[in-house]
Amino acid sequence: DGGITQSPKYLFRKEGQNVTLSCEQNLNHDAMYWYRQDPGQGLRLIYYSQIVNDFQKGDIAEGYSVSREKKESFPLTVTSAQKNPTAFYLCASVSDGYTGELFFGEGSRLTVL
Amino acid sequence: AQSVAQPEDQVNVAEGNPLTVKCTYSVSGNPYLFWYVQYPNRGLQFLLKYITGDNLVKGSYGFEAEFNKSQTSFHLKKPSALVSDSALYFCAVRDLYGNKLVFGAGTILRVKS
Repeated sequence: DGGITQSPKYLFRKEGQNVTLSCEQNLNHDAMYWYRQDPGQGLRLIYYSQIVNDFQKGDIAEGYSVSREKKESFPLTVTSAQKNPTAFYLCASVSDGYTGELFFGEGSRLTVL
Repeated sequence: AQSVAQPEDQVNVAEGNPLTVKCTYSVSGNPYLFWYVQYPNRGLQFLLKYITGDNLVKGSYGFEAEFNKSQTSFHLKKPSALVSDSALYFCAVRDLYGNKLVFGAGTILRVKS
């Protein structure tokens, strides 16, 4: 079945550690996105990539980094510079960037201890 | 800048009654509008979208939405609510360049039997 796979589902991190969240899609979509979800704030865009080897900052990119070396993969690194990293992270992809709907993964919940 | 407002944090409705979840938007040019649903600790699922054409859009699980250009609204509706419809609902609008999807803060729908 085609879809988006995020891992891990749950992740615990100590302060000062970097962590990487995985996002893999087999939908052959060009564009991929990372969103952060906090209660009552909806989804906020962290980074997005419209093509391999290219990505752009979203609205809250500080403290995060990404790479897009393969079409299928768009990993997100939460660095120690992110002051409040505890959140639910969602990865998504889309085939048609203008009219197409986003397909979402099941999310990764990061908790900083 | 594009924006979406969901004026109600929570909507309560009895099972079998009609439901409406409100959404208003602000965008330059033609809007591309979307509704998604999220169940606890899960990713978002696409319900329906308005791109062009008929102002009444039908989607998954019996949901529909009415696009009203003069009121800049895109309210989600269902004629008869089910307890299983209880979830978090997000309205979203595509930005002017089609690169990003901007989400509202979300509305919790509670359907009581």
